[in-house]
Amino acid sequence: AQSVTQLGSHVSVSEGALVLLRCNYSSSVPPYLFWYVQYPNQGLQLLLKYTSAATLVKGINGFEAEFKKSETSFHLTKPSAHMSDAAEYFCAVSDQNQGGKLIFGQGTELSVKP
Amino acid sequence: DAGITQSPRHKVTETGTPVTLRCHQTENHRYMYWYRQDPGHGLRLIHYSYGVKDTDKGEVSDGYSVSRSKTEDFLLTLESATSSQTSVYFCAISPQRGAHNEQFFGPGTRLTVL
Repeated sequence: AQSVTQLGSHVSVSEGALVLLRCNYSSSVPPYLFWYVQYPNQGLQLLLKYTSAATLVKGINGFEAEFKKSETSFHLTKPSAHMSDAAEYFCAVSDQNQGGKLIFGQGTELSVKP
Repeated sequence: DAGITQSPRHKVTETGTPVTLRCHQTENHRYMYWYRQDPGHGLRLIHYSYGVKDTDKGEVSDGYSVSRSKTEDFLLTLESATSSQTSVYFCAISPQRGAHNEQFFGPGTRLTVL
């Protein structure tokens, strides 16, 4: 069965610092991986997705993620945090056997300090 | 933004009361999903639909039913609400079935069962 683990339910960084949000997945077949962001009182918005093309995926708002099969990881990074990045971030996995159904991690809340 | 609306946006109800949540889309997407979001659990799939009158269960379907009589509307019904169903409910849509396809999310409905 597929699963996603996000390490750290809360991450706090200073404005301008590196953002690193961790995601590890478990899948018996090559996975498709997604990062979504949720701003307060809003729905989820796609940041980026990995679909077996380039292992380094660039998304919106300066975020990127690297697929590492050997480590079963898909960590999200941004070189310099901005106050507007404060939100909750969800990693999700899907595979062909599940027909597009997403399995989500438990989420990581990112706080950005001035 | 994908044209997805959810109604109501907030609802407070009492235990044992039936509740229906509505998801309406203007994108003519075939696939629609209902998730619930709870702290520490991320989003979990309740039910999904792959066409008019075609629905299937997700991982947390007990106590919920769905209906889809038109492409644009997907209804989630709690036949007899319980306090454990207090949650934020999100609808999502996708144009195609396939693990690489992203889902687009609505703004959510916050349901409180007293």
